[in-house]
Amino acid sequence: SAVISQKPSRDICQRGTSLTIQCQVDSQVTMMFWYRQQPGQSLTLIATANQGSEATYESGFVIDKFPISRPNLTFSTLTVSNMSPEDSSIYLCSVVRRGRVDEQFFGPGTRLTVL
Amino acid sequence: AQTVTQSQPEMSVQEAETVTLSCTYDTSESNYYLFWYKQPPSRQMILVIRQEAYKQQNATENRFSVNFQKAAKSFSLKISDSQLGDTAMYFCALSDAGNMLTFGGGTRLMVKP
Repeated sequence: SAVISQKPSRDICQRGTSLTIQCQVDSQVTMMFWYRQQPGQSLTLIATANQGSEATYESGFVIDKFPISRPNLTFSTLTVSNMSPEDSSIYLCSVVRRGRVDEQFFGPGTRLTVL
Repeated sequence: AQTVTQSQPEMSVQEAETVTLSCTYDTSESNYYLFWYKQPPSRQMILVIRQEAYKQQNATENRFSVNFQKAAKSFSLKISDSQLGDTAMYFCALSDAGNMLTFGGGTRLMVKP
């Protein structure tokens, strides 16, 4: 399985500020995704992080609020901008490895609390 | 649009017994993959088992097995010889060939000693 790390693992932030979450994979992957898991809820896809181009956002998520970068095949960042308490969630990155479309692995998640 | 439905928000089972978690789905794709993920309190999403839609044989991983009924669009998970460490949220998920996952709402499983 791919080894995926996320930083930070958790943070407590003030309303109106921004937080950037990093996702690092130990091998080259074809697809990288960012999901949100609100308290007690299931996972919802925010966007697909595309290497070298703009991310593809799902309905209800916009680039101004959740800018995403993916400068290479092993690294991506998600920024949660102008945060409000409603953004308090776990944010997870996931990856699909080259040649293994039948597996998707998740990072350990970042628990964000917005006061 | 793809949908995944888990109709059991919570379930409990005695240690060493067998439990089955239900999942139904809908997709217009002909080639797709189905997954069961486990999320313990540590929040790490762990892939438990996967099934390719074009394979008729049900997947098995040690104590975990699935009952894949393609015509009925059903994908249930059976956990045999339940252990305390199986206590977690279980999510059923669907994807088409390496793309985004669509998750069900989850089933909270409690294994009782």
